[in-house]
Amino acid sequence: KAGVTQTPRYLIKTRGQQVTLSCSPISGHRSVSWYQQTPGQGLQFLFEYFSETQRNKGNFPGRFSGRQFSNSRSEMNVSTLELGDSALYLCASSPAPSKEGYGYTFGSGTRLTVV
Amino acid sequence: QKEVEQNSGPLSVPEGAIASLNCTYSDRVSQSFFWYRQYSGKSPELIMSIYSNGDKEDGRFTAQLNKASQYVSLLIRDSQPSDSATYLCAVTWRAGSYQLTFGKGTKLSVIP
Repeated sequence: KAGVTQTPRYLIKTRGQQVTLSCSPISGHRSVSWYQQTPGQGLQFLFEYFSETQRNKGNFPGRFSGRQFSNSRSEMNVSTLELGDSALYLCASSPAPSKEGYGYTFGSGTRLTVV
Repeated sequence: QKEVEQNSGPLSVPEGAIASLNCTYSDRVSQSFFWYRQYSGKSPELIMSIYSNGDKEDGRFTAQLNKASQYVSLLIRDSQPSDSATYLCAVTWRAGSYQLTFGKGTKLSVIP
């Protein structure tokens, strides 16, 4: 059974650019969540999608956005990149929304470096 | 603000000993509790989930939950060098946004 697939694995972008990250969940999983991980802040919640609807949103600026498609694949977009956006972005999938109490399976992440 | 607190460590234990990892959380409206293991350079991996007060055992791992005291712990028996990793505690809150909130993790080092 294939795991959570994130592409690309590595990205280098320049300040002011925008970036789109992709996540394909485990087959049958309909919930996708995104996290930002940095050494200082740990795992910070970005948003959660279920059935193409954003269920929750973390405390990030509006430059961070996402969406989910009918096949449960998800993308997140960061516009007007800042140096502080450099981080590991992790996608996690689950059979149901987080309120149902299922654990998440994480992808390998996308390492974004903003220069 | 719902928070999950962990001692950052590092926690060093000799091979074969019991490693005890602790986590406290700030709000009683918590629902589900998870322990993840993250090796350096890798993504988090779910190792235990616990939903009700008491102990839950899975192989060498035991999760303990005490909702009245708002803490959850993970015991690793017969620790092995391969257990050396960062252990993340995560909590889902039963109200509001239901998001899964992580602690910053405890780094465990098992010394051969």
